[in-house]
Amino acid sequence: GNSVTQMEGPVTLSEEAFLTINCTYTATGYPSLFWYVQYPGEGLQLLLKATKADDKGSNKGFEATYRKETTSFHLEKGSVQVSDSAVYFCALRPREDSSYKLIFGSGTRLLVRP
Amino acid sequence: DTGVSQDPRHKITKRGQNVTFRCDPISEHNRLYWYRQTLGQGPEFLTYFQNEAQLEKSRLLSDRFSAERPKGSFSTLEIQRTEQGDSAMYLCASSLARQGAGNEQFFGPGTRLTVL
Repeated sequence: GNSVTQMEGPVTLSEEAFLTINCTYTATGYPSLFWYVQYPGEGLQLLLKATKADDKGSNKGFEATYRKETTSFHLEKGSVQVSDSAVYFCALRPREDSSYKLIFGSGTRLLVRP
Repeated sequence: DTGVSQDPRHKITKRGQNVTFRCDPISEHNRLYWYRQTLGQGPEFLTYFQNEAQLEKSRLLSDRFSAERPKGSFSTLEIQRTEQGDSAMYLCASSLARQGAGNEQFFGPGTRLTVL
């Protein structure tokens, strides 16, 4: 079946530190991959996406590369800010599923300290 | 129209009561999704509509749950005879389904249900 595994949080970093949040997936075929972010009291927002192997999604300084050989889509940012504190969800969308429903990981909470 | 809205944002009810949530999608979006998110977990798919047709229901959606989208615009999710295990955040998302790229889902802020 299809599933997403994320590193457990919370991840606590100092401002300007380098961030990596690991995400691996299991899927039949080649899914599209996403990172969503959830700020306190708000809905999920799409952060970035990649639709095929070796694609790199990027937005707001965050990046993730679709690695088919390792079935991974790790989220990285070179220098985090306090405002990046949120919960980050990795998700996949099976290519063969016409519903386009998303399958999410359990989320990783990031806390950035000044 | 600035995004997906959900009402109410919070609902506290007693076990055994019925509750109904509403979702208003982005106006031109033809697809509407419901997800459930329990504490410390990611959202899990419940059901989705294309226009007014409910096309898929998850096994998570027991017969106490019913969802409608009567005119292909807003949707309601009703839970009958609530149980404590129904306590969760109920998320609604909408998208414009089309061939090729896109189909991005936009999420509402969610309705947090607490069953006492």
